[in-house]
Amino acid sequence: NAGVTQTPKFQVLKTGQSMTLQCAQDMNHEYMSWYRQDPGMGLRLIHYSVGAGITDQGEVPNGYNVSRSTTEDFPLRLLSAAPSQTSVYFCASSRSSGGYYEQYFGPGTRLTVT
Amino acid sequence: GQQLNQSPQSMFIQEGEDVSMNCTSSSIFNTWLWYKQDPGEGPVLLIALYKAGELTSNGRLTAQFGITRKDSFLNISASIPSDVGIYFCAGSATGNQFYFGTGTSLTVIP
Repeated sequence: NAGVTQTPKFQVLKTGQSMTLQCAQDMNHEYMSWYRQDPGMGLRLIHYSVGAGITDQGEVPNGYNVSRSTTEDFPLRLLSAAPSQTSVYFCASSRSSGGYYEQYFGPGTRLTVT
Repeated sequence: GQQLNQSPQSMFIQEGEDVSMNCTSSSIFNTWLWYKQDPGEGPVLLIALYKAGELTSNGRLTAQFGITRKDSFLNISASIPSDVGIYFCAGSATGNQFYFGTGTSLTVIP
């Protein structure tokens, strides 16, 4: 199994550009999430989804959009990139059955906005 | 947002020593997870805890879900060089939103 995959691994954007970070999982997990990780800080939740067609905001949602049309995919969109969005982005998925929420992470996307 | 206090921030230990770190929250959680992250990689799940007082081991790692449900502890016994990395705790009340600690950076001196 591939687990959680993310593309691209690295990306450089200019201020104002838009892009989509891709995330896919092959574990049939209902829950998926996007986090950002900045130096000296833990991971902070951007958006999450509890199933196809259902998304909600996390701790730091401003400047990001998500959608979940399938169980497998959960893309993150930056509509107008800003230098403050320079960070490492991680996607995660977890099962929700029986109250056991083991969350697994992808390898991350390193984004630099100039 | 939810604040998770993780301590210590960093540790420098001799190979073979035991390690302890902990995480506290201001709210009650129903799930605690512990992760290890190597440079340039995503966090890797080490241990999951679901019940207050639960003690779970994974090889030389042992984690506990605090009785108050506001804290958790991770111990590593007989450390080895490959234990080097950053360890994160994560807690959740609902299972769909996890809050993370700021990490404990572990250095093992051979």
